[in-house]
Amino acid sequence: EPEVTQTPSHQVTQMGQEVILRCVPISNHLYFYWYRQILGQKVEFLVSFYNNEISEKSEIFDDQFSVERPDGSNFTLKIRSTKLEDSAMYFCASSEGVGKQETQYFGPGTRLLVL
Amino acid sequence: AQKVTQAQTEISVVEKEDVTLDCVYETRDTTYYLFWYKQPPSGELVFLIRRNSFDEQNEISGRYSWNFQKSTSSFNFTITASQVVDSAVYFCALSVFMDSNYQLIWGAGTKLIIKP
Repeated sequence: EPEVTQTPSHQVTQMGQEVILRCVPISNHLYFYWYRQILGQKVEFLVSFYNNEISEKSEIFDDQFSVERPDGSNFTLKIRSTKLEDSAMYFCASSEGVGKQETQYFGPGTRLLVL
Repeated sequence: AQKVTQAQTEISVVEKEDVTLDCVYETRDTTYYLFWYKQPPSGELVFLIRRNSFDEQNEISGRYSWNFQKSTSSFNFTITASQVVDSAVYFCALSVFMDSNYQLIWGAGTKLIIKP
């Protein structure tokens, strides 16, 4: 069964460093998302992406964050200058096109630790 | 306002007991979708079920069942004859169309502990 994959599974970085989290959505899906979950808390929406542009973003998704679909398969989240509070699990998700976009399938997550 | 409330922060039961996880949602939309996701200790989010607002039929899948009641804006999840492997955090989520696409609004999750 097709699934969303994410790399790396864990990343440790120093405060102020840039990180890029990678995702490969399900191949025929058209909508892509990033969420984060701070340890022990609820899942929070960051951004959605469709047709090569951001369609929605939350207040969390400030200028430090960016997303990109550099080729036909990868979908990346970049954090330019990481802060301690960026430590969280980051989930990528994807959904099909019109009529099925409401069901999002999630990757296994990347656990980011900022020291 | 769109909101999902999972009032039970943590539930602990002994294996083989039945357990119900509550979910109450708020939305003014007439078209919406409800979901349950499971998050085991390994951290991934596992899709369990999707329900649309026009389908109030209850659903059963093995030991899992879901009770959707629009009159009380609830979408409760019952595990029958619980097993240790059911131990996880369970999230209820509401999907509504906002601006240009559907967005998921998450509950805070219920941590389910099944003791052997």
